[in-house]
Amino acid sequence: GNSVTQMEGPVTLSEEAFLTINCTYTATGYPSLFWYVQYPGEGLQLLLKATKADDKGSNKGFEATYRKETTSFHLEKGSVQVSDSAVYFCALKGRDDKIIFGKGTRLHILP
Amino acid sequence: DTGVSQNPRHKITKRGQNVTFRCDPISEHNRLYWYRQTLGQGPEFLTYFQNEAQLEKSRLLSDRFSAERPKGSFSTLEIQRTEQGDSAMYLCASSSSGGLSYEQYFGPGTRLTVT
Repeated sequence: GNSVTQMEGPVTLSEEAFLTINCTYTATGYPSLFWYVQYPGEGLQLLLKATKADDKGSNKGFEATYRKETTSFHLEKGSVQVSDSAVYFCALKGRDDKIIFGKGTRLHILP
Repeated sequence: DTGVSQNPRHKITKRGQNVTFRCDPISEHNRLYWYRQTLGQGPEFLTYFQNEAQLEKSRLLSDRFSAERPKGSFSTLEIQRTEQGDSAMYLCASSSSGGLSYEQYFGPGTRLTVT
């Protein structure tokens, strides 16, 4: 079945550092890929998405590229801020319309 | 704000009691989904509706769980005879349609604690 594996946290970085959170997936067919973010005390928010191979999703300085050859969708940001501290979930959606989430990566940004 | 809303936000109950949660989707969204998120894990799919029809139920949804969407608008999720293992965040999401490119919008969740 479909699955998502993302790097375990917590990840702790200093402000303005470069961020990478790795995500790989297993799926039949061609799923859509997502990154969701959950800020403390808030619900899940869609951060970015990509619906086909080589698409790049981007939002709020975050980027991720749908790499079919490596079945990956790594999240990157060039310069993180304290306000980026949150839990980040990589996810996929197949034709069955169910979203499969990774376990989440907690990110701490130190001022 | 016309996003997905869920009530209550928090529920504490004793083992063996029944609980019911409500989800109000974005108006005119015909698909509604329920997910469960336990501590330190990502959300897991439970069930979803197309209008009032329940189209799929996960094996995670035991016989103690039942979900309804009687008029194709709001939905309820009931857990009978709660167990401590039911403690989790229950998330609702809605979308305008199914398919790869349609986004699911999530509500804030209902946190259930079974003592």
